[in-house]
Amino acid sequence: GENVEQHPSTLSVQEGDSAVIKCTYSDSASNYFPWYKQELGKGPQLIIDIRSNVGEKKDQRIAVTLNKTAKHFSLHITETQPEDSAVYFCSSGGSYIPTFGRGTSLIVHP
Amino acid sequence: NAGVTQTPKFQVLKTGQSMTLQCAQDMNHNSMYWYRQDPGMGLRLIYYSASEGTTDKGEVPNGYNVSRLNKREFSLRLESAAPSQTSVYFCASSEVGGGQGEQYFGPGTRLTVT
Repeated sequence: GENVEQHPSTLSVQEGDSAVIKCTYSDSASNYFPWYKQELGKGPQLIIDIRSNVGEKKDQRIAVTLNKTAKHFSLHITETQPEDSAVYFCSSGGSYIPTFGRGTSLIVHP
Repeated sequence: NAGVTQTPKFQVLKTGQSMTLQCAQDMNHNSMYWYRQDPGMGLRLIYYSASEGTTDKGEVPNGYNVSRLNKREFSLRLESAAPSQTSVYFCASSEVGGGQGEQYFGPGTRLTVT
């Protein structure tokens, strides 16, 4: 089955800095790559996604890049703010069922 | 429009007891999922239902059963709870199945088995 690796597990930045979280996947048939944000005590919520026919997608301060040849995709957050502090999960929509990375705890210090 | 709702929010069981976690969605989605979340392990799929009347095993199905009661409701049953099933359980739904579309998650059920 699909295997999704996510790094780093913890990321600490100063407010205003950029943050980058990286994921790799194994199933070459995967073609949908969402990112979810989970705030404390809540369920995950989609923040951005990308399909395999594009290499990059932006939405204000967040962007996702995809390299299908290398089988990796990344989440980029610019001008981080304290409210960006949360756990972020990448996911790969493989040929059958969704698979999630283990999560990255992002801490933004004011 | 409540989205995905789960009951109960919290539950404490003794080893060997049984219980059913309830999930309902009001978005007319075909696909529904049950995940467990453990520290450092991310979200692991227990069971999913691609459409009403069908269910399939995910990554960690042992010790669980599911029922897709109708298009709205998807329940998860623990027949004989074990301490290893202490976890936070999330239900999710999606319009598109097979992991090909956005999933909408419920608020979770925090289960402790003593």
